[in-house]
Amino acid sequence: GAGVSQSPRYKVAKRGQDVALRCDPISGHVSLFWYQQALGQGPEFLTYFQNEAQLDKSGLPSDRFFAERPEGSVSTLKIQRTQQEDSAVYLCASSPIGGAEDTQYFGPGTRLTVL
Amino acid sequence: AQSVAQPEDQVNVAEGNPLTVKCTYSVSGNPYLFWYVQYPNRGLQFLLKYITGDNLVKGSYGFEAEFNKSQTSFHLKKPSALVSDSALYFCAVRRRSNDYKLSFGAGTTVTVRA
Repeated sequence: GAGVSQSPRYKVAKRGQDVALRCDPISGHVSLFWYQQALGQGPEFLTYFQNEAQLDKSGLPSDRFFAERPEGSVSTLKIQRTQQEDSAVYLCASSPIGGAEDTQYFGPGTRLTVL
Repeated sequence: AQSVAQPEDQVNVAEGNPLTVKCTYSVSGNPYLFWYVQYPNRGLQFLLKYITGDNLVKGSYGFEAEFNKSQTSFHLKKPSALVSDSALYFCAVRRRSNDYKLSFGAGTTVTVRA
């Protein structure tokens, strides 16, 4: 079946603009994750959903970042009043069950550039 | 403290030679360990994982990794590298608990020359 998809693939925003990044997980996957990957670094955890419940948002860097998954499928990561330090690749991943041994399958990412 | 360390930023090997990408971890207990590969402008692709059992794990594209508890290592290996293996490799760890997130190393760039 289809993998994880993300849109847009590239986003350029002026500082202060709001952006919304979309993730379509693999169909039927219970768990969904958002990660932030800065240039030259490994991905850093942002937030985790199990179905529609946001169980962990400890990695969100500020209250400008907000994520939702209202129907337990598609998720949106919203960044308000973007800053230059928000420039990064935002990766979405999904996994089947939600157990710690589950494999996370990643989408291609959205590259956000804030000018 | 960093949970995962990849001590080499870059690894260069000739095609046909063995490839090793090093990873050490520093979490308590017995973690779950993963390797992912990232090609330019693409997301992370899963290679293999260690959950329990045999310390030698075989994965995709001929890769394997050996879990060594005493050395807290999980090095990725391939007996004969291909030019197409040139990519960015990430080691990741997940605690054996309700800690669902992956903690990644900084990555190792592998270049295989023809």
